[in-house]
Amino acid sequence: EAQVTQNPRYLITVTGKKLTVTCSQNMNHEYMSWYRQDPGLGLRQIYYSMNVEVTDKGDVPEGYKVSRKEKRNFPLILESPSPNQTSLYFCASRTRAGQGMYEQYFGPGTRLTVT
Amino acid sequence: GQNIDQPTEMTATEGAIVQINCTYQTSGFNGLFWYQQHAGEAPTFLSYNVLDGLEEKGRFSSFLSRSKGYSYLLLKELQMKDSASYLCAVRETNAGKSTFGDGTTLTVKP
Repeated sequence: EAQVTQNPRYLITVTGKKLTVTCSQNMNHEYMSWYRQDPGLGLRQIYYSMNVEVTDKGDVPEGYKVSRKEKRNFPLILESPSPNQTSLYFCASRTRAGQGMYEQYFGPGTRLTVT
Repeated sequence: GQNIDQPTEMTATEGAIVQINCTYQTSGFNGLFWYQQHAGEAPTFLSYNVLDGLEEKGRFSSFLSRSKGYSYLLLKELQMKDSASYLCAVRETNAGKSTFGDGTTLTVKP
């Protein structure tokens, strides 16, 4: 089954404790992206990657890191989490980093709470 | 960057038609997407417009006017399961960056 998976789905952690949220897709998609969603707000793009070893900042990259060493994986790293990073995080992927009706496929989401 | 505006909430009756508007201001444009998101779930793709005009897909249609920076999503024969948030998203010219509106929460009443 074609899908985007994220782990963990739920995480409660403390300020300053480094964490990684994994994202993996099995559709051989070139493009992957991370978003956060806060109550009453739409999705805000954190980072995106147009292919292996190519990443770029979205609208809200501060406090986050990403890497793209393999095509299928795009982990999101919080080196020193803070309470304002409490949010619902979505990973997404799509084929071809170019024009066309290439819609994004979203993972199930990771609900992160930082105390 | 982008600025995308859509109404926060809408209410409609089962069986009726509802139109959700989206306006955007952009220095570049590479397509407009509509996604549906049920509470607590991931967004799912509904429609895509890159040229002016209407795209129809079953009960859902989407319209785009690039000169006006305007799109709408039209939902016909509303069903209770259509109660969800509808997100308008613009893909910027560099094709990697996407900006989403805050979403419109649609409530369908019997």
